Amino acid sequence: QVQLQESGPGLVKPSETLSLTCTVPAGSISNTTYYWSWIRQPAGRGLEWIGRIYINGNTNYNPSLKSRVTMSIDTFENRFSLKLNSVTAADTAIYYCARVMYRAFDMWGQGTFITVSS
Amino acid sequence: QSVLTQPPSVSGAPGQRVTISCTGNRSNIGAGYDVHWYQQLPGTAPKLLIYFNANRPSGVPDRFSGSKSGASASLAISGLQPEDEADYYCQSYDSSLSYVFGTGTKVTVL
Repeated sequence: QVQLQESGPGLVKPSETLSLTCTVPAGSISNTTYYWSWIRQPAGRGLEWIGRIYINGNTNYNPSLKSRVTMSIDTFENRFSLKLNSVTAADTAIYYCARVMYRAFDMWGQGTFITVSS
Repeated sequence: QSVLTQPPSVSGAPGQRVTISCTGNRSNIGAGYDVHWYQQLPGTAPKLLIYFNANRPSGVPDRFSGSKSGASASLAISGLQPEDEADYYCQSYDSSLSYVFGTGTKVTVL
């Protein structure tokens, strides 16, 4: 069963900021074993890691996206978030949130499709 | 951008054995980082198939096996089944503090 759940706008205009949230099972976001990540997949293409965040707020981002990405975490609401600014059509993709355990993505959300278009 | 190289496609008849290679370099697999494998069925999210090079999560059939040597890794599917038709991705960690994925391999059951 799906245990991570992405939520987002579906459609974003070029040059604007994409904002996504991932809700995780209650209590698990505070487990110090896990990191939390975002991954995307353009239609018909491969997987691209976007970034990860830890319970203390420490982040690491894909160098190719680092200048446009911000991740945050809310342990009270059991969720973490992604902001990607200055989007273009190249950012159109399915966006997945995932749990990271020992550098493997062991749990995934079902994904949310984001289209960048005016 | 994918850092790990996989063949675009492999195919086999039911019951046959197929293997998928995953080639990295000395900043990721060759640096000693573990390799994980994911199965992505059509229209679904990826699912962890093999972790730490050769281990199967609970519920994954033992016809799936993984190995790693040097800067490369392999996934083998023995006794290929129609339900194995999917995309498969390898994944590792990189010295640049990034997670890296393979280019993906489509497995077709003839």
